[in-house]
Amino acid sequence: AQSVTQLDSHVSVSEGTPVLLRCNYSSSYSPSLFWYVQHPNKGLQLLLKYTSAATLVKGINGFEAEFKKSETSFHLTKPSAHMSDAAEYFCVVRPNSGGSNYKLTFGKGTLLTVNP
Amino acid sequence: GAVVSQHPSRVICKSGTSVKIECRSLDFQATTMFWYRQFPKQSLMLMATSNEGSKATYEQGVEKDKFLINHASLTLSTLTVTSAHPEDSSFYICSLASRVNEQFFGPGTRLTVL
Repeated sequence: AQSVTQLDSHVSVSEGTPVLLRCNYSSSYSPSLFWYVQHPNKGLQLLLKYTSAATLVKGINGFEAEFKKSETSFHLTKPSAHMSDAAEYFCVVRPNSGGSNYKLTFGKGTLLTVNP
Repeated sequence: GAVVSQHPSRVICKSGTSVKIECRSLDFQATTMFWYRQFPKQSLMLMATSNEGSKATYEQGVEKDKFLINHASLTLSTLTVTSAHPEDSSFYICSLASRVNEQFFGPGTRLTVL
């Protein structure tokens, strides 16, 4: 079984300040982890993914995330928020074995608002 | 990454009618596609896995007779919501899986049932 917990349903930051979106996971198997972004009434765009290589993963638009197995966390960060970063962010886990190779489990999402 | 399109992007229908949503892979052949549903301010919930040339696999609690899935080719999967009711109003998103198990998502279809 696998699950994802996004610890904050809403994060509000000022433009130019750091962003931290928190995600904890549980998985019976070695997982792959993803962060997706969704702008209003749009589909999902992949920001970055961890698939058992380097634990610090760099993504698009200046985002990065660090896989910490001991803490079962995969928090998303960005040094300086931009107005265009305002969106919903989903942390997603996928097992790498166990017969459900493709199935994704989504967190409930974190809404990021960026204030001018 | 792969380009996925959905049609229509928005649809409004009367209660009791059926609505078909298309999901197309524009630049590669997908043997597996997925259909998700997203209620307002909620996360995506997997409805079914669509395999080309075979029956779809539905998640627990999803009525297969209500949500008909047809994956007729490697580039097209369709979801038909039969006898739609207001509670079926939602954002429907498809995705397809690449050979390295990465999923690419379509832009979604907003269904409103009056």
